[in-house]
Amino acid sequence: GENVEQHPSTLSVQEGDSAVIKCTYSDSASNYFPWYKQELGKRPQLIIDIRSNVGEKKDQRIAVTLNKTAKHFSLHITETQPEDSAVYFCAAQSPGTYKYIFGTGTRLKVLA
Amino acid sequence: DAGVTQSPTHLIKTRGQHVTLRCSPISGHKSVSWYQQVLGQGPQFIFQYYEKEERGRGNFPDRFSARQFPNYSSELNVNALLLGDSALYLCASSLDPGQGAYGYTFGSGTRLTVV
Repeated sequence: GENVEQHPSTLSVQEGDSAVIKCTYSDSASNYFPWYKQELGKRPQLIIDIRSNVGEKKDQRIAVTLNKTAKHFSLHITETQPEDSAVYFCAAQSPGTYKYIFGTGTRLKVLA
Repeated sequence: DAGVTQSPTHLIKTRGQHVTLRCSPISGHKSVSWYQQVLGQGPQFIFQYYEKEERGRGNFPDRFSARQFPNYSSELNVNALLLGDSALYLCASSLDPGQGAYGYTFGSGTRLTVV
């Protein structure tokens, strides 16, 4: 069935360093890939998304890259700050379906 | 802008009981989706409704049901509660995620504990 694998499950970086989280999806028809940030006890919030007709998208310190051939997409956070500490989830949606398949999450800790 | 509102925020129920969770989408959004998030895992799709019709159903037992009202608010019902139903239940609002996708806006969730 449809599946999204996410790695790593935990990631610790020093403040100011970069963080990269990777996801692989199984359905080659998937065409929309959002990333959500969830702070402890709070709701998931959309931070960036990418569609299958685009290879890369940036928004200030955050970027997402997509490799359709490899069925792989990644979240890149540069110049990390303590407030970036949270759990990050990737997701994939296939055309004609109405659900997102979420990854298992990455707990990012930014050490001051 | 009110955002997505869910009620109640926390709930404790006993095994075998029934529960109703409620969600009001962002004004103008016609689609509501429900997700279950077990501690330490990603959200799992339960249902999506658009214009009061069910558009999708995840791999959940028939004990789970939902509906959407004319004002686009929604209810999620779970019968015969099991301990394993303990989770954060998230409601997501969107314009119409079936149309090439728009990002969901999630509510803050209902934390259900079954004892």
